[in-house]
Amino acid sequence: KAGVTQTPRYLIKTRGQQVTLSCSPISGHRSVSWYQQTPGQGLQFLFEYFSETQRNKGNFPGRFSGRQFSNSRSEMNVSTLELGDSALYLCASSLGDRASREQYFGPGTRLTVT
Amino acid sequence: GENVEQHPSTLSVQEGDSAVIKCTYSDSASNYFPWYKQELGKRPQLIIDIRSNVGEKKDQRIAVTLNKTAKHFSLHITETQPEDSAVYFCAAADRGSTLGRLYFGRGTQLTVWP
Repeated sequence: KAGVTQTPRYLIKTRGQQVTLSCSPISGHRSVSWYQQTPGQGLQFLFEYFSETQRNKGNFPGRFSGRQFSNSRSEMNVSTLELGDSALYLCASSLGDRASREQYFGPGTRLTVT
Repeated sequence: GENVEQHPSTLSVQEGDSAVIKCTYSDSASNYFPWYKQELGKRPQLIIDIRSNVGEKKDQRIAVTLNKTAKHFSLHITETQPEDSAVYFCAAADRGSTLGRLYFGRGTQLTVWP
C-alpha cells in the first residue's frame, strides 16, 4: 500500500496570508490527524477527522481549521498567518477504531512564515 | 488532559550498548502507548506500541515495558547500532472521547557512537 502523502512539501508565506495543506491517507484509513511540530513545543495535536467529521480538537486558535472529504483526504487551513505558525505540519492516518490504533505519519509540510 | 513526560532529552551510547528511554503519563484512562523514531528530516516512524493489557512487548532488538500502577513505560534498545541514532518520541492515548489523539513526550535525541 502507498503511504501517507502530503502536499506541498515546502511553503513560504508572508504574515497575514492564508495557507491550505493537503493530506492523503493510506488506502482504507478513515481517520486523519494533524500535528504541528516545532523545536520549542514538540509535537502538538491540532485536530482529527474521522468519516468527514471532526472528532477531536486540540488547543489551537480558530485560525486553524480543517476538513475531510468523502475519500478520506483531508485539508487543513491556516488563516491570517503569524510568524509563530512556522513549523512542520504532519498528518497521520489510521483505521480510526479502538482495535486498530496505529497512526502512520506523512512526510510533512514545512511552512515558513516571513 | 493527558501529560506525557519523557527522559532523558539526550542520550549517547557506544555501539553495542543498550539504551533506555523512560516516559510517564498522568491519565489513568490512557491505554495505548506507541513509540516513534524520527530521523533528521524524515517523518516519525512507528517502531513499536503496547496496550494496557500487556506488560511487555518485544520486536527483535526493541522492547517496551509498561507499568500501569506507576503510570510509566519504557523503550529498551539492545545492541545499539549507528543507524539507531534518531529522535525517539513516546506517546499515550485513551479509547474514550479522545480516541484518535496522541499525546507526545518531548523526545529523546539518541546518538550511537561507532
